[in-house]
Amino acid sequence: AQTVTQSQPEMSVQEAETVTLSCTYDTSENNYYLFWYKQPPSRQMILVIRQEAYKQQNATENRFSVNFQKAAKSFSLKISDSQLGDTAMYFCAFMTYSGNTPLVFGKGTRLSVIA
Amino acid sequence: EPEVTQTPSHQVTQMGQEVILRCVPISNHLYFYWYRQILGQKVEFLVSFYNNEISEKSEIFDDQFSVERPDGSNFTLKIRSTKLEDSAMYFCASSDVTSGLWEQFFGPGTRLTVL
Repeated sequence: AQTVTQSQPEMSVQEAETVTLSCTYDTSENNYYLFWYKQPPSRQMILVIRQEAYKQQNATENRFSVNFQKAAKSFSLKISDSQLGDTAMYFCAFMTYSGNTPLVFGKGTRLSVIA
Repeated sequence: EPEVTQTPSHQVTQMGQEVILRCVPISNHLYFYWYRQILGQKVEFLVSFYNNEISEKSEIFDDQFSVERPDGSNFTLKIRSTKLEDSAMYFCASSDVTSGLWEQFFGPGTRLTVL
């Protein structure tokens, strides 16, 4: 069974600074997907970024980028130029490559962006 | 932009009562999911549904739970006899087979409170 670990329950960052959220996972699969979801106070789950394990290039979406280290089973999220609207819970999630399988979530990291 | 919708946004019920949570997935999506999130905890998978039948379910999804696609648009989660520990946020999600992206789009959630 796959597991996802987020070791930082809470983090804070000053507005306009950069912050990195950690995520490690455990799987015996070789191909899979990894995701970061954002959950603001409204509690809607919003996809931030995705990474296919077969791609060596790290995914980037505007201010959000990942550092995917497949051998280390690590998938960290970097938020550049942090904005107040980035304040939210961030969940790392894993999905097997067959695609129509459940997401396995980590426990989340609560990020606070401070003005 | 198409989105997953859920009703009601908040449901309060007495222990032992039946509740039905409703979801309208994105129209061209074929895979549907229910997840739950107990307050302060991680998001947990309940069940996935494809081609009018359950494709996978977790150990949480016991005989008290059932899912149905009663028509071409709605996807429902029924809890037959609610317990206090069923109090949680319930998220519906859907994904598109054809795109190959396997992204699960989440609805805004239904907050279920069992008294």
